[in-house]
Amino acid sequence: SYVLTQPPSVSVAPGQTARLTCGGKNIESKSVHWYQKKPDQAPVLVVYDDSARPSGIPERLSGSNAGSTATLTITRVEAGDEADYYCQVWDNNNDQRVFGGGTKLTVV
Amino acid sequence: EVLLVDSGGNVVKPGGSLRLSCEASGFTFNSFGMNWVRQAPGRGLEWVSYISAMSTYMYYADSVKGRFTISRDNAKNSLYLQMDSLRAEDTAVYYCARSGDSAYFFEYWGQGTPVTVSS
Repeated sequence: SYVLTQPPSVSVAPGQTARLTCGGKNIESKSVHWYQKKPDQAPVLVVYDDSARPSGIPERLSGSNAGSTATLTITRVEAGDEADYYCQVWDNNNDQRVFGGGTKLTVV
Repeated sequence: EVLLVDSGGNVVKPGGSLRLSCEASGFTFNSFGMNWVRQAPGRGLEWVSYISAMSTYMYYADSVKGRFTISRDNAKNSLYLQMDSLRAEDTAVYYCARSGDSAYFFEYWGQGTPVTVSS
């Protein structure tokens, strides 16, 4: 089955830029989606189809997918961005939806 | 406003059964695929199952195939997950999630319902 690889943790200072990566075989040929998950809250879709943003998601969050890595970029990081972030794709070989292991973003 | 309300979570013994429900409102239920996604304690998100808008297609994660059954009742705007032969590793918070337009991502989520499998 398809495997998505995310770094377990990323730390960034307030006001700086965080880049969260997601790797997978030929990932550039897939549509990548990103979710924010805070403790005791439901996940929230923050980017879909590589770079589209749902309504209500600030422009500070953006996505890209090129060169074998998908990236969620958060500019001007705020304390409220501290959360776990998961990438997700559809594995068309067996019609399964697949999540990466998640990256814990810490704002220090 | 899209609203998904999960219910049915409980404590159950290994080998037991449980049925989860998700009541939807705020959108045309029979136009969207629906999913169950879970998160075990201290672990990441795991997709469990998908059902298409008219129940034509149903897909399952390998970890639950043959034990869980997804279904929906469009007249009641409700999604279900029948869980049989439960194992300790099924312990998790279960979320229902509505697919987006493409059916391959999760646009809206319920608040989650906890399932604990323990003797």
